[in-house]
Amino acid sequence: DTGVSQDPRHKITKRGQNVTFRCDPISEHNRLYWYRQTLGQGPEFLTYFQNEAQLEKSRLLSDRFSAERPKGSFSTLEIQRTEQGDSAMYLCASSLLLTTSETQYFGPGTRLLVL
Amino acid sequence: KNEVEQSPQNLTAQEGEFITINCSYSVGISALHWLQQHPGGGIVSLFMLSSGKKKHGRLIATINIQEKHSSLHITASHPRDSAVYICAALSPYGGSQGNLIFGKGTKLSVKP
Repeated sequence: DTGVSQDPRHKITKRGQNVTFRCDPISEHNRLYWYRQTLGQGPEFLTYFQNEAQLEKSRLLSDRFSAERPKGSFSTLEIQRTEQGDSAMYLCASSLLLTTSETQYFGPGTRLLVL
Repeated sequence: KNEVEQSPQNLTAQEGEFITINCSYSVGISALHWLQQHPGGGIVSLFMLSSGKKKHGRLIATINIQEKHSSLHITASHPRDSAVYICAALSPYGGSQGNLIFGKGTKLSVKP
């Protein structure tokens, strides 16, 4: 499978714990996006990278959230001191920037439940 | 008011019916995506279009840039089409270049 992969697929944690998610994009894709989706809502943008540079962060991304893409390949999203409101599906997508209208390919998501 | 609005929110159809899902947006866009999300979360990109019409199998997507409106049509619907269909606008501007602004989705259920 050469699509976007995410790990883990599911995570249950207690409030206050730290969690880290990983996204492996399609190998030649230079852009990587993180989105969050809560139940019954469309996804919301969190942040994106072009190669290893984090180009934009949403105001939804509080200080407890940090994302990295150290070598311009896989990315991690860490949530510190989790809160129940962090429970959501975290989606990763990647794209190859050729024009401004590139197609994004989505991973299966990591579903987080904070108890 | 959301920048991307979809209607209806929920849609139940009988197998074989022609289905239309609508999307209106209030932001400037460089393109518009139609995405399909299956139970369990996986998202598949169906179409990306910036003008006119695209067709793939039983799916047709149209966009009217002047009216800031797009439609997704499904002909001869089938139970396997049951999913959430999401419209997403691709913002072309400045630091938001490449970001998608999503609608809330339309949950489609096709009954046999």
